[in-house]
Amino acid sequence: GNSVTQMEGPVTLSEEAFLTINCTYTATGYPSLFWYVQYPGEGLQLLLKATKADDKGSNKGFEATYRKETTSFHLEKGSVQVSDSAVYFCARSSNTGKLIFGQGTTLQVKP
Amino acid sequence: DTEVTQTPKHLVMGMTNKKSLKCEQHMGHRAMYWYKQKAKKPPELMFVYSYEKLSINESVPSRFSPECPNSSLLNLHLHALQPEDSALYLCASSQDPGTTYETQYFGPGTRLLVL
Repeated sequence: GNSVTQMEGPVTLSEEAFLTINCTYTATGYPSLFWYVQYPGEGLQLLLKATKADDKGSNKGFEATYRKETTSFHLEKGSVQVSDSAVYFCARSSNTGKLIFGQGTTLQVKP
Repeated sequence: DTEVTQTPKHLVMGMTNKKSLKCEQHMGHRAMYWYKQKAKKPPELMFVYSYEKLSINESVPSRFSPECPNSSLLNLHLHALQPEDSALYLCASSQDPGTTYETQYFGPGTRLLVL
C-alpha cells in the first residue's frame, strides 16, 4: 500500500517534557519524508525533512531520522514549550508529485 | 525566501456567488498545487500545475476551476458552491515538478465559508 500512519492524538504534555510522535510509512522505493506543523488558524509550515535513509532532519529543537529498516520517521523534541502546541503532519513524497499525509497528531502543551 | 502568499485570508460567499482565490510565489517554482483541508483532517490534493499546465485533477467537481496565468500565480475560481465546500483552501509550490522528492511549501490558506 501507499500510506503514512501516525500515532493518534491528542498528545498532552507538560512544558519541558520529552516529545515523541510516531510515524511509519509504506512505499515502493525511497520517498522523501517530511514533518509539517500547523498552528491554530494557520497553514502548514515545513518543520523538517529527510531525503534518504539515515538522514536526520532537524529544526527548532525537533528531530526525526529516516529509518529505512523500520520504515519510520518519528518526531522528537527534548523539551517542549507551550508554543509548540499545534497539529503535526507526517508526509511522504510519491512518484506523481503528490504528498501522502498521515492523519495528523494534535499536541497540547500545558504550562 | 520560501513564502507563498494567498488572498483573501477569509471569504464568505453564498451558493450563487462567483469568487476567486489567489496564490502567488516568487521562488521560481514550476509546480503549484491547490489543496482542500477540512477541520482536524490532513490536506486533500485538488489540482497540480506543472510548468503552467494542469497535470493532475483529483476528480474535483467543475464548480472549482483552476487557472495558472503565469509561473508565479495560481487562481481558483469558485462558482455555485455548496455548504460542504466550506474548508481551508491551501496553495503550495515546489521547485521542479519532474522529481519525486520535491519539498512543497504551503501558503497560509483561505478560510472559506459557503452559506
